[in-house]
Amino acid sequence: QQQVKQSPQSLIVQKGGISIINCAYENTAFDYFPWYQQFPGKGPALLIAIRPDVSEKKEGRFTISFNKSAKQFSLHIMDSQPGDSATYFCAASRSGGYQKVTFGIGTKLQVIP
Amino acid sequence: ETGVTQTPRHLVMGMTNKKSLKCEQHLGHNAMYWYKQSAKKPLELMFVYNFKEQTENNSVPSRFSPECPNSSHLFLHLHTLQPEDSALYLCASSQDWGTAPYEQYFGPGTRLTVT
Repeated sequence: QQQVKQSPQSLIVQKGGISIINCAYENTAFDYFPWYQQFPGKGPALLIAIRPDVSEKKEGRFTISFNKSAKQFSLHIMDSQPGDSATYFCAASRSGGYQKVTFGIGTKLQVIP
Repeated sequence: ETGVTQTPRHLVMGMTNKKSLKCEQHLGHNAMYWYKQSAKKPLELMFVYNFKEQTENNSVPSRFSPECPNSSHLFLHLHTLQPEDSALYLCASSQDWGTAPYEQYFGPGTRLTVT
């Protein structure tokens, strides 16, 4: 059972455009929603994360939007650059103790010049 | 070395071989994880160790055997694998117990091919 559904699986965006990746979760016990970025040959690295008590969090060109009632959250990458080309994973977990993180399937983003 | 390191980076093994993957974290963390990453699938959590004690075994076949001799080192011993076990195996670490969510730091992974 896929507890975190992510779409699209692949995305091509022109340089300067907005990249949008959507995720939905089922377990209402989740209270921490990180996004990871993975470049080829590297492990995933935390990009940005949000708690459900806020509806939006922005860090530079990256913004998470969170809709608790719909159990959905999304990543927006503004002014997308070729260096943003990577695979992005949304995830969800519960606070407390070690982190048992449930990941989405991943979105391969390609930003073309 | 900094962060989380994994060796080897690439491994090709036959179905009857026995091999081991090694992970080392230089972050002072107390929790370590093994994940399996396959194409078009979410990352699958395999094992979790917290303070060297195994706290999670996500229904992983016995042909995968983890070992955590101390908080900095984690091994994954492999034997009689199947071709469907070919994947990228990722190690991660994080801080220990607490109420705050703790970031997981991943290593670069070992690309395993079972022939």
